[in-house]
Amino acid sequence: EAGVAQSPRYKIIEKRQSVAFWCNPISGHATLYWYQQILGQGPKLLIQFQNNGVVDDSQLPKDRFSAERLKGVDSTLKIQPAKLEDSAVYLCASIAAVSGNTIYFGEGSWLTVV
Amino acid sequence: DAKTTQPNSMESNEEEPVHLPCNHSTISGTDYIHWYRQLPSQGPEYVIHGLTSNVNNRMASLAIAEDRKSSTLILHRATLRDAAVYYCIRRGGTSGTYKYIFGTGTRLKVLA
Repeated sequence: EAGVAQSPRYKIIEKRQSVAFWCNPISGHATLYWYQQILGQGPKLLIQFQNNGVVDDSQLPKDRFSAERLKGVDSTLKIQPAKLEDSAVYLCASIAAVSGNTIYFGEGSWLTVV
Repeated sequence: DAKTTQPNSMESNEEEPVHLPCNHSTISGTDYIHWYRQLPSQGPEYVIHGLTSNVNNRMASLAIAEDRKSSTLILHRATLRDAAVYYCIRRGGTSGTYKYIFGTGTRLKVLA
């Protein structure tokens, strides 16, 4: 079974530029999450999708972050304009809607804003 | 999540048991307790989970306090490959809305 795929793996941008991260969850997984993990900290939930609908985006900085999952499969997280404090690993994860006992994470997209 | 606290770091000798504690004093009655670990440059991976009873699997054991305000992850024989950051996680919500809220994490160092 293929895992959660994320790209790009690494990205360096200047502040005020934009960046987009892509995630393809495990096939059939209805629930998709984006987490932000700042160095030395635990992952923090940014947004949660159920199919193509948003379940929770209360911690997403909506003035600069946006995310979509148009067809209920893969998802894109965008940051525009980026700030220095956005430097982090962006983790995508998914679970099957029914069991919900194991959340599967991708390897993450590492963002450095300079 | 400030309500799920773990020691910042722990050390263990190789081949010895390790007990990793977690305090989740405000956990609700329906929240599951999950443990994940994160190796360097990788996403977190599943270790074990439970609700009320102690649980065992091939990787570890999970001991849950009777009042559910704390739990302990037990690695029976630590190996060098177990060096990682271990996260205690509260899983709340219902099917389709499950939320996984991470604790502060414990960095485990295994000494050869």
